Amino acid sequence: GIQVEQSPPDLILQEGANSTLRCNFSDSVNNLQWFHQNPWGQLINLFYIPSGTKQNGRLSATTVATERYSLLYISSSQTTDSGVYFCAAITQGGSEKLVFGKGTKLTVNP
Amino acid sequence: DTGVSQDPRHKITKRGQNVTFRCDPISEHNRLYWYRQTLGQGPEFLTYFQNEAQLEKSRLLSDRFSAERPKGSFSTLEIQRTEQGDSAMYLCASSFYDQTFFGQGTRLTVV
Repeated sequence: GIQVEQSPPDLILQEGANSTLRCNFSDSVNNLQWFHQNPWGQLINLFYIPSGTKQNGRLSATTVATERYSLLYISSSQTTDSGVYFCAAITQGGSEKLVFGKGTKLTVNP
Repeated sequence: DTGVSQDPRHKITKRGQNVTFRCDPISEHNRLYWYRQTLGQGPEFLTYFQNEAQLEKSRLLSDRFSAERPKGSFSTLEIQRTEQGDSAMYLCASSFYDQTFFGQGTRLTVV
């Protein structure tokens, strides 16, 4: 099945810094999503982005489907951005399940 | 629309006992998923329903696990004869073709 790899596994920033999180996937996808898992375990939807670029406030994401990667950009980071960021994908023409990467743990220090 | 709802939020059980979790999806969503997440890992797929039909089950879903979605509405996940290795966060999600939305999860601790 599809493999989803995220990098870096851990990231520590000072408040106000910018960051880029990467997600590589091993197969063509028709669904790619980014989630933020808060300290209570809730997975919060950030982007549904199988291709192209989207922006939502300080966050933006780009997926280059032909090269099988997606990037999540966080600008002017805040302490509330801390948590684990997951990328998840559904492969084309196969199972309908979302396959998750192992996540990037982001810590933003004041 | 209050999102995906899971009950209970926390469950502590003794090894060998049976437990049942409930998930209420977003009302218009026809797809419902169960995932399991252990510390430091991403969520792992367990099973998936489209309406009331269970269309896919992971090899992780041993014969001690059973899931149902009667009438294509809420779903239950039962674990029989719990083992310490079953301790995890159990996440339910629902979708309607594109975005998948997750509930807050049920944290199971087997002692």
